[in-house]
Amino acid sequence: EVQLVQSGAEVKKPGESLKISCKGSGYSFTSYWIGWVRQMPGKGLEWMGIIYPGDSDTRYSPSFQGQVTISADKSISTAYLQWSSLKASDTAMYYCARLCSIAAAGYLHPQFDYWGQGTLVTVSS
Amino acid sequence: EIVMTQSPATLSVSPGERATLSCRASQSVSSNLAWYQQKPGQAPRLLIYGASTRATGIPARFSGSGSGTEFTLTISSLQSEDFAVYYCQQYNNWPPAFTFGPGTKVDIK
Repeated sequence: EVQLVQSGAEVKKPGESLKISCKGSGYSFTSYWIGWVRQMPGKGLEWMGIIYPGDSDTRYSPSFQGQVTISADKSISTAYLQWSSLKASDTAMYYCARLCSIAAAGYLHPQFDYWGQGTLVTVSS
Repeated sequence: EIVMTQSPATLSVSPGERATLSCRASQSVSSNLAWYQQKPGQAPRLLIYGASTRATGIPARFSGSGSGTEFTLTISSLQSEDFAVYYCQQYNNWPPAFTFGPGTKVDIK
């Protein structure tokens, strides 16, 4: 069974650093991209970036480039999302999700098919 | 940058009725369009990709249509478990890019 298990909720102060994790199991972790998605309180979904754990190739949404760092440790099947200096506006639920390219009608459709349970990050002084 | 819009923001429907949700892209995304369902306190769930292909395990009452800039998600007969927020998402294979719409909340009338 494919599972993505994320680390627990965090409460931090502005300016602090943070690294949250997403551990994959039940599939070949190095063969699928992992993405991160932000959901601010009461708001919609925003794609942040993706990483290919096989070689750590990482791509960021322009909106998040330079704001966060995505990494992975394939030896323990875990992806990470980190901040060097948190802001109150980083308060949100963060989801990791597996990106699967599904073939249909002669095209590949990259889709987030399995999701973690989410990690709530609260940044408050 | 492609901007996705969805209408209506909220749709009130009685159980057993049909629900029609709309999604529009600011420029053509061909058929690179997916729909996700999110229930309170849960992660999103993939429903439809390629504008009209149901994901594994998704009931046949969910159907997607459209191409280019105009898309529709139809739920033929709403069940109690279908009351949720629905997001459309455009995607680009390479370079990777994913943009979600603001969502449509389907609630009980």
